[in-house]
Amino acid sequence: DTGVSQNPRHKITKRGQNVTFRCDPISEHNRLYWYRQTLGQGPEFLTYFQNEAQLEKSRLLSDRFSAERPKGSFSTLEIQRTEQGDSAMYLCASSPRQGVASPTEAFFGQGTRLTVV
Amino acid sequence: AQSVTQLDSQVPVFEEAPVELRCNYSSSVSVYLFWYVQYPNQGLQLLLKYLSGSTLVKGINGFEAEFNKSQTSFHLRKPSVHISDTAEYFCAVSEAAGNKLTFGGGTRVLVKP
Repeated sequence: DTGVSQNPRHKITKRGQNVTFRCDPISEHNRLYWYRQTLGQGPEFLTYFQNEAQLEKSRLLSDRFSAERPKGSFSTLEIQRTEQGDSAMYLCASSPRQGVASPTEAFFGQGTRLTVV
Repeated sequence: AQSVTQLDSQVPVFEEAPVELRCNYSSSVSVYLFWYVQYPNQGLQLLLKYLSGSTLVKGINGFEAEFNKSQTSFHLRKPSVHISDTAEYFCAVSEAAGNKLTFGGGTRVLVKP
């Protein structure tokens, strides 16, 4: 297993366009998280899935943002009608089910850097 | 709600000197505490974590941290830094196993030769 994989690594888009990012977690990790990190700041929680169920969404996740994890494996994060303020690094993380060693450890992907021009 | 404050945004340090990165948190419940490192254009890598037990926690790359419940702090230390330790370091808390993380604003460490 090569860890959490995110694609694309970089995305430049024009304001108003839609973008979609993909995250492939470590296999058999049932929890998947999305975070957003702007320049010079720590990551901020966006949303979290346990298997295919989206259990929590941050107030940061406006209605232009939608995340899915249809079969409890990979996840997608879509941003509609992008704005310049959406420019950030979008990080995905996964963690194993409770009861397994280190259930609290989240393993992060390398992120997708979005630039809205 | 929980919050994390990293008191230093940047810490310049000479190679082979010691370094301490400060982290304070607030929460109404017991928390788990973490330090992550982020190298340029990379994701976050876990350095160490405190879940319970001994308040002195040892992590990878020679780092250690001490949990102080009365001062609600979790400061990170390394006795002798290398050039390769140049990175950004994030302190984080979570309220339950497998729950979301709340991060501090980060401390950028610049190791000078």
